[in-house]
Amino acid sequence: AQSVTQPDIHITVSEGASLELRCNYSYGATPYLFWYVQSPGQGLQLLLKYFSGDTLVQGIKGFEAEFKRSQSSFNLRKPSVHWSDAAEYFCAVGVKEYGNKLVFGAGTILRVKS
Amino acid sequence: EADIYQTPRYLVIGTGKKITLECSQTMGHDKMYWYQQDPGMELHLIHYSYGVNSTEKGDLSSESTVSRIRTEHFPLTLESARPSHTSQYLCASSDSGQPQHFGDGTRLSIL
Repeated sequence: AQSVTQPDIHITVSEGASLELRCNYSYGATPYLFWYVQSPGQGLQLLLKYFSGDTLVQGIKGFEAEFKRSQSSFNLRKPSVHWSDAAEYFCAVGVKEYGNKLVFGAGTILRVKS
Repeated sequence: EADIYQTPRYLVIGTGKKITLECSQTMGHDKMYWYQQDPGMELHLIHYSYGVNSTEKGDLSSESTVSRIRTEHFPLTLESARPSHTSQYLCASSDSGQPQHFGDGTRLSIL
């Protein structure tokens, strides 16, 4: 069965520091991969997606992610975090055999300290 | 920006009431989804639809039901609400092969 693991429940970084959020997936074929961000009381906003091609994908708000097939990973990065980036981040894999239904990780809560 | 709307945003209601959570999208997407999300937890798919008159149950068992009579509308109904139904419900839609776009959710509390 497909699964997504986000090993870090909480991460705290200083404003201006770099960020990396980890995501590992389990899926038998080449996956569709996504990162979403959720602010308190809001729905999910798509940050970026990987379908095929270049394994380094750029997203909104200065985020990027790199697909590494050998490590079954899709880690999210940002070179300099802003206080407004504090939110919860979800990694998800799209299951092609089931109409691209999404399987989500448990999320990582990012705290930014000034 | 995607246009997908959920109403109400917040609902506090007593046990035994019938509840309908509304979800509408203006993008003409064929696929629509309902997720349940408890605080601090991941999203679990409870219902999805690939088009009008098509509905399927998701990975997480739910006592709720859905209907898809119109492309843009995908309401979720609880016939008799219980405290165990307290959660956040998120609606999403997508085109084939495209990312899902989410509404802002309905936070439901059953007393």
